[in-house]
Amino acid sequence: GESVGLHLPTLSVQEGDNSIINCAYSNSASDYFIWYKQESGKGPQFIIDIRSNMDKRQGQRVTVLLNKTVKHLSLQIAATQPGDSAVYFCAENFYTGRRALTFGSGTRLQVQP
Amino acid sequence: GAVVSQHPSRVICKSGTSVKIECRSLDFQATTMFWYRQFPKQSLMLMATSNEGSKATYEQGVEKDKFLINHASLTLSTLTVTSAHPEDSSFYICSAQDKGTGLYGYTFGSGTRLTVV
Repeated sequence: GESVGLHLPTLSVQEGDNSIINCAYSNSASDYFIWYKQESGKGPQFIIDIRSNMDKRQGQRVTVLLNKTVKHLSLQIAATQPGDSAVYFCAENFYTGRRALTFGSGTRLQVQP
Repeated sequence: GAVVSQHPSRVICKSGTSVKIECRSLDFQATTMFWYRQFPKQSLMLMATSNEGSKATYEQGVEKDKFLINHASLTLSTLTVTSAHPEDSSFYICSAQDKGTGLYGYTFGSGTRLTVV
């Protein structure tokens, strides 16, 4: 089913620190996951994705960790910058299908200069 | 990379009128497009799945007669909010799935802020 966020939790970090944003996904059958960044008034922007046959994937300054046992996904941002301030959503899907992505409730990241 | 153009970015309309939002895939063919709605400080909620040349599939609770979706070509889907009311005010976002990459190609538009007065 759909994930509905009633309010956004906020993570506040200092510039230069590492950030960890967590997500509990809902469907144990989901096998494709994406992290998106959304700035105010804009559409979601792709950050990084991971398939369920992996437990870690790294990009530029970002790392996604997947724990299928507890249905948990995390996004790690290294050396967080003010430009990273945004709302971050995890999304899940069956990678073998064409169904729409199901979004998590989101976390607002605030980077203090 | 894949680009999805969504227009208009903002629209204000009077209660009772209809508003059309366009979603275009600029450099790829989109067999499937998705329409989402997002209220302030909330997540994206899927409204409907739009397949080229066929009727859209609506999520439970979404009125198909109120939110008309047309996907007449592989590069264009439109969402028309009919007889809009203030409670329809929201941020509407489309997403297109690249026919070529299929499984992984989700690209989002920049969203449309609808305000009904």
